[in-house]
Amino acid sequence: NAGVTQTPKFQVLKTGQSMTLQCAQDMNHNSMYWYRQDPGMGLRLIYYSASEGTTDKGEVPNGYNVSRLNKREFSLRLESAAPSQTSVYFCASSLQGANSPLHFGNGTRLTVT
Amino acid sequence: QKEVEQNSGPLSVPEGAIASLNCTYSDRGSQSFFWYRQYSGKSPELIMSIYSNGDKEDGRFTAQLNKASQYVSLLIRDSQPSDSATYLCAALKSGGYQKVTFGTGTKLQVIP
Repeated sequence: NAGVTQTPKFQVLKTGQSMTLQCAQDMNHNSMYWYRQDPGMGLRLIYYSASEGTTDKGEVPNGYNVSRLNKREFSLRLESAAPSQTSVYFCASSLQGANSPLHFGNGTRLTVT
Repeated sequence: QKEVEQNSGPLSVPEGAIASLNCTYSDRGSQSFFWYRQYSGKSPELIMSIYSNGDKEDGRFTAQLNKASQYVSLLIRDSQPSDSATYLCAALKSGGYQKVTFGTGTKLQVIP
């Protein structure tokens, strides 16, 4: 039972480079999320997708784009990486409904030099 | 004011004691509350959910919710060194999407 799978686990980029973080879930969840986690800042929502075909900005969307490819997959793209984007990125998914918690992937540790 | 506030700790308790973790939230529209445990370098893991006022027990864990006071707590009985982790409180507000807001977490250290 894989749950939420993120790739890659680690990545080092140089300023200005681009990359895509991949996320897939096999729990038939409708909603998917991208968070970043920084020391002292907690988990902050970058983008979310309430259902296939829809995406919306969260708290810190600048510098990122997302694609909800299908119900299972939700990718996060950094078009031109900046050192401020050095962080741990978590993908999460949930069912819709007031009592549905988020289930997290294992995270991607990104360093931008 | 942060939407979900937690004391960052560290909270140190001796092995076998009760650890009490607290959380307050500002959005009265929040409907559900969750406690996640996060070990260093790992992803958050759901340990408790609570939706209505009162207590909810699951093994050594008890979650408490008081919506009037906008207060959520987690009690860990018979604390073990393996409970040492950061505990994240989260509040969910359902609407167009599941808006889940996290606190910054409380670091718990259980001393053998």
